[in-house]
Amino acid sequence: QKEVEQNSGPLSVPEGAIASLNCTYSDRGSQSFFWYRQYSGKSPELIMSIYSNGDKEDGRFTAQLNKASQYVSLLIRDSQPSDSATYLCAVNPGRRALTFGSGTRLQVQP
Amino acid sequence: GAVVSQHPSRVICKSGTSVKIECRSLDFQATTMFWYRQFPKKSLMLMATSNEGSKATYEQGVEKDKFLINHASLTLSTLTVTSAHPEDSSFYICSARPVAGTASYEQYFGPGTRLTVT
Repeated sequence: QKEVEQNSGPLSVPEGAIASLNCTYSDRGSQSFFWYRQYSGKSPELIMSIYSNGDKEDGRFTAQLNKASQYVSLLIRDSQPSDSATYLCAVNPGRRALTFGSGTRLQVQP
Repeated sequence: GAVVSQHPSRVICKSGTSVKIECRSLDFQATTMFWYRQFPKKSLMLMATSNEGSKATYEQGVEKDKFLINHASLTLSTLTVTSAHPEDSSFYICSARPVAGTASYEQYFGPGTRLTVT
């Protein structure tokens, strides 16, 4: 079992819709959770961090964490073509480096 | 805030030569920096963890004599690819983690260095 699992996609949504990206992790001791966005040919950019159960909102982005289910998600409201990218879920399992999922490719259709 | 720079952004070198890549945290101090490589359409692969003032910790399968890491200060880590070969061609990305606070688990990435070995 992979430590951090994401559906590779592509996830295709129409412009203006809500994009829902999901991630599960295996280490119950994980305390910190992050979402990164990576455009093709570029490096990852941190867009959200979440540390406690529940929702955390920042602009059009909402991160959701459920530690009991070992599940973290990212919602993007009013999706724009510029949101088209690969979204990486990252978890701190207590070791020093973050563990990354393989990413979900999002395509927002104009 | 939390800006990480990398230099060079692109480099082309001949097989057998060495290439040095610099990673700097510009507005924060980082006792820990990380080096990743990424092949096209593949996920990030952690190569090593760079610790200021001590030896780097390499991931399994990464040759420490080939990928030399030096973390000379709280804002600078370097990766030297020695005796580069075409199979070392890849996108190398560093990241840095701030020293303290709840943000200490966050990692901020540099823009990456695209290495092509001919």
